[in-house]
Amino acid sequence: AQTVTQSQPEMSVQEAETVTLSCTYDTSENNYYLFWYKQPPSRQMILVIRQEAYKQQNATENRFSVNFQKAAKSFSLKISDSQLGDTAMYFCAFMKHTGTASKLTFGTGTRLQVTL
Amino acid sequence: GAVVSQHPSRVICKSGTSVKIECRSLDFQATTMFWYRQFPKQSLMLMATSNEGSKATYEQGVEKDKFLINHASLTLSTLTVTSAHPEDSSFYICSACPSADREFTKNIQYFGAGTRLSVL
Repeated sequence: AQTVTQSQPEMSVQEAETVTLSCTYDTSENNYYLFWYKQPPSRQMILVIRQEAYKQQNATENRFSVNFQKAAKSFSLKISDSQLGDTAMYFCAFMKHTGTASKLTFGTGTRLQVTL
Repeated sequence: GAVVSQHPSRVICKSGTSVKIECRSLDFQATTMFWYRQFPKQSLMLMATSNEGSKATYEQGVEKDKFLINHASLTLSTLTVTSAHPEDSSFYICSACPSADREFTKNIQYFGAGTRLSVL
């Protein structure tokens, strides 16, 4: 079974600053996907970024980037130029790579507060 | 694109009644949908995997007779909470994965906005 650990229950960052959210995972799988999802106060889950384990290059999406360390089983999210709208719960998630859709295993989440 | 609609967004019911929640993929077909439950300030816990045209796969500890899932078409899955009790009060979220032949990547789950169930 896979496990996902987010060791930072809450974090705070000032607007325009950079923040990094940590995530580690445990798996015996070699092929898998990792995700960061954002859940704002509306509770709508929004995909932030996705990483395929077989790709060494770190994924980036505008102000969001990841530091994927496969050997260390680490998958941190960096948010640059933080904006007030980034305030949300952030969940790290793991998915096995199978031929069909596979379930997500979520971490416990990090609550990020962006302040003025 | 990749919009998932979940209805209703909020439901309040009396103990003993049944409640149906719908999850629709609006602009793509989804062979597989997932149902999650989220307690306040906690993470999402998978309840079951819903497969079009076949029986759902339930996670350990989830009562299949309590939480009935029907995935009758490639765009609709329903979750029925039967004989609801106060302990079933929670936030229920569905997600859908586009089928392989869509432009969207099939391994991404797109989420509905959730349903807040309150059982009195």
